[in-house]
Amino acid sequence: GEDVEQSLFLSVREGDSSVINCTYTDSSSTYLYWYKQEPGAGLQLLTYIFSNMDMKQDQRLTVLLNKKDKHLSLRIADTQTGDSAIYFCAEAGGNNRLAFGKGNQVVVIP
Amino acid sequence: GAVVSQHPSRVICKSGTSVKIECRSLDFQATTMFWYRQFPKQSLMLMATSNEGSKATYEQGVEKDKFLINHASLTLSTLTVTSAHPEDSSFYICSARVIQGLAEAFFGQGTRLTVV
Repeated sequence: GEDVEQSLFLSVREGDSSVINCTYTDSSSTYLYWYKQEPGAGLQLLTYIFSNMDMKQDQRLTVLLNKKDKHLSLRIADTQTGDSAIYFCAEAGGNNRLAFGKGNQVVVIP
Repeated sequence: GAVVSQHPSRVICKSGTSVKIECRSLDFQATTMFWYRQFPKQSLMLMATSNEGSKATYEQGVEKDKFLINHASLTLSTLTVTSAHPEDSSFYICSARVIQGLAEAFFGQGTRLTVV
């Protein structure tokens, strides 16, 4: 089954870049996702990457995928205070369900 | 993107009572919806998969008689927490996936349940 691992906490100064990492186990995943959760709210899809891509850039967000190592990362450029949230990576397994990592809390310091 | 609406956003109930949470897909049809539970500072734990017109599929360890799921239409799934106890207090989130192409999952706003 799917198993997704993430580190837990990241503190970053406003304007700096932040990088969140994630590893996954299901090599058959077609899509990998990054979700953002603000306090007391549901999850918001930030970006995704198709499994045959190595990199995807979407404005301030850059996703890197290393299929060989099953490693996914999200880089947020010019981090803003509104980026403070918990970030979850997720993979869509063959059973049509999403498996989530534990989440990485990002705190942006003004 | 598609919108999933979850209601209520916050509910406080007495121990022993039942609480119903609704999850609606507003602008698309969802044959499958998912119910998650999230404890503080933890990830989402899948509770069950709700299938329109058929019985829900529960994850191991989730009591189906405790967490009743009904998916009566292509746009509505409900989760009823029966005979709620304080340990059921949690954040419940539903999601629906558009099973085409990207297969993106859209999430409701979540329901904060507090059982006193």
